[in-house]
Amino acid sequence: EIILTQSPATLSLSPGERATLSCRASQSISNYLGWYQQRPGQAPRLLIYDASNRATGIPARFSGSGSGTDFTLTISSLEAEDFATYYCQQRDNWVVTFGQGTRLEI
Amino acid sequence: QVHLQQWGAGLLKPSETLSLTCGVYGSSFTDYYWSWIRQSPEKGLEWIGEISHTRNTSRSPSFKSRVTLSVDKSRRQFSLRLRSVTAADTGVFFCARVGGGGYEDAWGQGTLVTVS
Repeated sequence: EIILTQSPATLSLSPGERATLSCRASQSISNYLGWYQQRPGQAPRLLIYDASNRATGIPARFSGSGSGTDFTLTISSLEAEDFATYYCQQRDNWVVTFGQGTRLEI
Repeated sequence: QVHLQQWGAGLLKPSETLSLTCGVYGSSFTDYYWSWIRQSPEKGLEWIGEISHTRNTSRSPSFKSRVTLSVDKSRRQFSLRLRSVTAADTGVFFCARVGGGGYEDAWGQGTLVTVS
């Protein structure tokens, strides 16, 4: 099973600042990585698929990069609604795993 | 616009069987796989498994021996049964649509299941 490790566990920033979140895979997953946002009391929402493609309706301030084992989610200028928890996810050989999450707080 | 509505019992006793169903609205039922995911404070998000309308399934090794996934194409519903639950199975269960590339691009509202 591929393990995804996210860092940092918690990131404290202010509105308008740039956020950089990391996800590292225990072995190469090419670009098969997704990023999700979860607000309290809500289901996760797909932000990025295949490492760098924004899902439908996702604002341009969200971007993803990386391949192999190291991936990054960047939020260029934080807005109030972006303070939430973010998860990375991979699918390998019909088994899906998630990272443990990064909590982005004000 | 796709909408997933899920329902099922929220309080179980140890050794009982968890049963949840998810209804699909506003989306093709045959073009996608349909998945279940559990979330708990201890283990975070855990993928349980997925099923297609033709009943092709894939299940996590962590759940495989206890999980049954089923689908009712005529009703546009899919279901999860998890046998022999323990307190460790307590969490919020989500149903989801598996879009192209294998990412969950639509989610149900979640069902809190407590085993006590």
